[in-house]
Amino acid sequence: QITLKESGPTLVKPTQTLTLTCTFSGFSLSTSDVGVGWLRQPPGKALEWLALIYWDDDKRYSPSLKSRLTITKDTSKNQVVLTMTNMDPVDTATYYCTREIYSRSSFDYWGQGTLVTVSS
Amino acid sequence: DIQMTQSPFSVSASVGDRVTITCRASQGISSWLAWYQQKPGKAPKLLIYAASSLQSGVPSRFSGSGSGTEFTLTISSLQPEDFATYFCQQAHTFPRTFGQGTKLEIK
Repeated sequence: QITLKESGPTLVKPTQTLTLTCTFSGFSLSTSDVGVGWLRQPPGKALEWLALIYWDDDKRYSPSLKSRLTITKDTSKNQVVLTMTNMDPVDTATYYCTREIYSRSSFDYWGQGTLVTVSS
Repeated sequence: DIQMTQSPFSVSASVGDRVTITCRASQGISSWLAWYQQKPGKAPKLLIYAASSLQSGVPSRFSGSGSGTEFTLTISSLQPEDFATYFCQQAHTFPRTFGQGTKLEIK
């Protein structure tokens, strides 16, 4: 059974750095073709892709957010960590962790999501 | 970035109806398109990948078609559990981009 779960703060202040952890089970990020990524969805709005890291440590970022994002993996712990610097109220959203199979390039498993509010 | 445009924004339909949602890409993406269903307060669920491949466990009343810049998601006979918001996503290039969503409501 494949599961992913996001963890991290629910409230951050403007200018602070957000650190989110995705802990997954049922697959390995050392297996060829596998990636884990992050997306977000502001309340009532569309989905926005943020970043992806693949089994071979290839990393991809949203160009509009690239300067603020860092994605890393710990294969031994089955975790992927996303950091986003200089948080702003417009970054308030539900953040999702997902799995991507590279050859299918679609997000087949999702975490439940975690709502992050940016407010002073 | 490749822009994904869905139509309609929302649609009202009845149980048993056939519904089609369209997604257009701002440039050709071959068959690199996925469809997702999202219910309120829940994570999206993958329905279709590679434009027409049904994800495991998804009912066969869902189907996808298209290539290049124009794609459709069809639900052949609406069931009560199908009322949700549907998103398309291009998987041709980075950044991955999504349509704005189509809300399917009960008539």
